[in-house]
Amino acid sequence: GAVVSQHPSWVICKSGTSVKIECRSLDFQATTMFWYRQFPKKSLMLMATSNEGSKATYEQGVEKDKFLINHASLTLSTLTVTSAHPEDSSFYICSAGGSGGSPLHFGNGTRLTVT
Amino acid sequence: DAKTTQPPSMDCAEGRAANLPCNHSTISGNEYVYWYRQIHSQGPQYIIHGLKNNETNEMASLIITEDRKSSTLILPHATLRDTAVYYCIVRADTGGFKTIFGAGTRLFVKA
Repeated sequence: GAVVSQHPSWVICKSGTSVKIECRSLDFQATTMFWYRQFPKKSLMLMATSNEGSKATYEQGVEKDKFLINHASLTLSTLTVTSAHPEDSSFYICSAGGSGGSPLHFGNGTRLTVT
Repeated sequence: DAKTTQPPSMDCAEGRAANLPCNHSTISGNEYVYWYRQIHSQGPQYIIHGLKNNETNEMASLIITEDRKSSTLILPHATLRDTAVYYCIVRADTGGFKTIFGAGTRLFVKA
């Protein structure tokens, strides 16, 4: 089946620094990828839609200048958390696929801890 | 907003069938029903999906009512490893393919 790889699986950074998370579709091309965040014991919240070769579309309430998304190729999207603060600590998950009724496939997530 | 309603939690005995209901009374004609599950600290795992007909694969069966307003995911012989949060999602096959998650059902499989 389709595989989505996410890296790193966990990261600890200091407040004020930036962190980049990569999401790759390993065996298919993805013109669209999605980024979610998840707080403990909560459901996944869609942050943004990443579009290959164009600007990402952010959900209401998500700061586009804080969560920079780049989708430079058909197999790679990156999410950069800029000037991270402790409240940005969360579980970030990417997904790809879903065209024509096919299911989305998800990465295994990145646990970000900002100290 | 999520377009589905699920019970917050369910219990199931190991080896028995787990039947997880989902209400999607406002589903549109071009929207599929998808089921995913999430085991703690992992990304969601795709289980099964369908449009109108019942579906079965190696993991589960999906029963969709004739009016398509509700569905049931069936895990025929639940094991302890099936303990997870199960999400029922409806999504169109055209457009942006956004997948919005509701709260899901936390299934506890007990020995």
